[in-house]
Amino acid sequence: NAGVTQTPKFQVLKTGQSMTLQCAQDMNHEYMSWYRQDPGMGLRLIHYSVGAGITDQGEVPNGYNVSRSTTEDFPLRLLSAAPSQTSVYFCASSYAVGGPLHFGNGTRLTVT
Amino acid sequence: GQQLNQSPQSMFIQEGEDVSMNCTSSSIFNTWLWYKQDPGEGPVLLIALYKAGELTSNGRLTAQFCITRKDSFLNISASIPSDVGIYFCAANTGTASKLTFGTGTRLQVTL
Repeated sequence: NAGVTQTPKFQVLKTGQSMTLQCAQDMNHEYMSWYRQDPGMGLRLIHYSVGAGITDQGEVPNGYNVSRSTTEDFPLRLLSAAPSQTSVYFCASSYAVGGPLHFGNGTRLTVT
Repeated sequence: GQQLNQSPQSMFIQEGEDVSMNCTSSSIFNTWLWYKQDPGEGPVLLIALYKAGELTSNGRLTAQFCITRKDSFLNISASIPSDVGIYFCAANTGTASKLTFGTGTRLQVTL
């Protein structure tokens, strides 16, 4: 089992560019989520999904889109990158809503 | 929204010392979790607590889900250099889809 796999590991974007952060899990988990981690602020929830075809907003959803066409994949799209989106992004999954999360190793994004 | 106040923010201790950190909230939760994050990696689950009053150990780690359901603590006994990292508490109401995280405790262990 690979667990939760995130790609890329690092990315640099210019303001206004778009990109997709990939997340895949091989544990057949129903629940998947995206967090961003900023210094001194812990982890903040961006979007989450309780199953294929179902997504919802978290605490800081603005500027991000998600979709969940399969159980395994949960990509995060930045539509028009801004410097405020410079952060480390973590994808996490769980067997069910409310269950303990398994995290990927993160994508470090810099927007210049 | 729900907030978890985690303290201390950082700790510098000597190898062999015991460590204690805690999380408090004004909200009631049904689940408390403790994670550790090593540099360049994602958080890894250390201990999960599902019942008020529960005291659970995992090796040198002990965590409690306090009876008030508003707080939790994590103790590490006889610290070693590989305990270095950031420790996060997290909690939810059980049925909620959203896990709330504390701001983390950065632990440094000196020889």
